[in-house]
Amino acid sequence: KAGVTQTPRYLIKTRGQQVTLSCSPISGHRSVSWYQQTPGQGLQFLFEYFSETQRNKGNFPGRFSGRQFSNSRSEMNVSTLELGDSALYLCASSSGGTANTGELFFGEGSRLTVL
Amino acid sequence: ILNVEQSPQSLHVQEGDSTNFTCSFPSSNFYALHWYRWETAKSPEALFVMTLNGDEKKKGRISATLNTKEGYSYLYIKGSQPEDSATYLCAPPGGSYIPTFGRGTSLIVHP
Repeated sequence: KAGVTQTPRYLIKTRGQQVTLSCSPISGHRSVSWYQQTPGQGLQFLFEYFSETQRNKGNFPGRFSGRQFSNSRSEMNVSTLELGDSALYLCASSSGGTANTGELFFGEGSRLTVL
Repeated sequence: ILNVEQSPQSLHVQEGDSTNFTCSFPSSNFYALHWYRWETAKSPEALFVMTLNGDEKKKGRISATLNTKEGYSYLYIKGSQPEDSATYLCAPPGGSYIPTFGRGTSLIVHP
């Protein structure tokens, strides 16, 4: 069973640009969550999508957005990049559902550097 | 915002030592707690999902206990090995049952 795939793995952007990251969840998983990790911080929750709908959202500015497609693949977009957006962005999939206690399966992450 | 505290922040032990870490969280409205292991250059991997007060779970040399009334969970590693070196994350759910991660405990096991 293929794991969670994130692309690209590494990318470098400059301030003011925008970036799109992609996540393909495990087959059959309908929930995709995105997390940001910066040095010294824990994993900060960005948002969760379930069946193409944003079900939950973390405390990030509107420059951070996402979407989910009918095949459960998800993308997140960051517009007008700032230096502080440099981070590892992790995607996680789970089976989801109302009683969402299922474990998260993480991808290897996309490391974004903003210059 | 859920306040999740993990202690210690980092830990250095010798091979063969047993060790334990703590995850503290607000005890109200508890739903479930996840433990993850995150090795360098890899993805975080789930160790345990715990839902009941008094839960004890075990996987090989690693075990965890849960006390929802007082708001803490312990993770134990018996006879640490170098391959146990990783960051251990706990994640009780915050609003809408989204796992809210602590900053983790970084464990380094010296041969």
